[in-house]
Amino acid sequence: EVQLVQSGAEVKKPGESLKISCKGSGYSFTSYWIGWVRQMPGKGLEWMGIIYPGDSDTRYSPSFQGQVTISADKSISTAYLQWSSLKASDTAMYYCARDGYCSGGSCYSFHYWGQGTLVTVSS
Amino acid sequence: DIQMTQSPSTLSASVGDRVTITCRASQSISSWLAWYQQKPGKAPKLLIYKASSLESGVPSRFSGSGSGTEFTLTISSLQPDDFATYYCQQYNSYSGFTFGPGTKVDIK
Repeated sequence: EVQLVQSGAEVKKPGESLKISCKGSGYSFTSYWIGWVRQMPGKGLEWMGIIYPGDSDTRYSPSFQGQVTISADKSISTAYLQWSSLKASDTAMYYCARDGYCSGGSCYSFHYWGQGTLVTVSS
Repeated sequence: DIQMTQSPSTLSASVGDRVTITCRASQSISSWLAWYQQKPGKAPKLLIYKASSLESGVPSRFSGSGSGTEFTLTISSLQPDDFATYYCQQYNSYSGFTFGPGTKVDIK
């Protein structure tokens, strides 16, 4: 069974750093893209970026480029999303999600989702 | 960047109704369009990928169609479990992924 298990909720102060995680199991971690999606309170879904753990190829949404860093450690089947200096506007639920395989490659859709990590940034 | 719009933004319907949600892209995205259902406090759930392929385990009352710039999600007979918010999502090789703003389906 494919599972993505995310790290627990975080409460941070503005200016602090943070790294949240997403551990994959039940599949070949290096063979599928993992994306990160933000959902601010009461708002819609926003794609932040995506990583291919097999070779660490990483792509970012222009809206999030330079604001966050996405990485992966394939030795422990875990992807990460990190901030160097949090802002109050980073308060949101963050989801990791894995793509699916269609003939010829990726389906370019997110077939499996983590449970979400709630990040609260407040002074 | 490709912009996605969804209509309507809110839809009031009754159990048994046929429901259609439309998603439009600002430029052609071929068939790289997916639909998700999200309930409050839960992660999104994939319903349809590649515009018209039903994800495994999703009831057959859900269907998707379209290509290019206009896509639809249809629920043939709305069930109590279907009251939720629905998002479309596109992919293109230049700007990556974009989600639509969402359509909330509530009880009439």
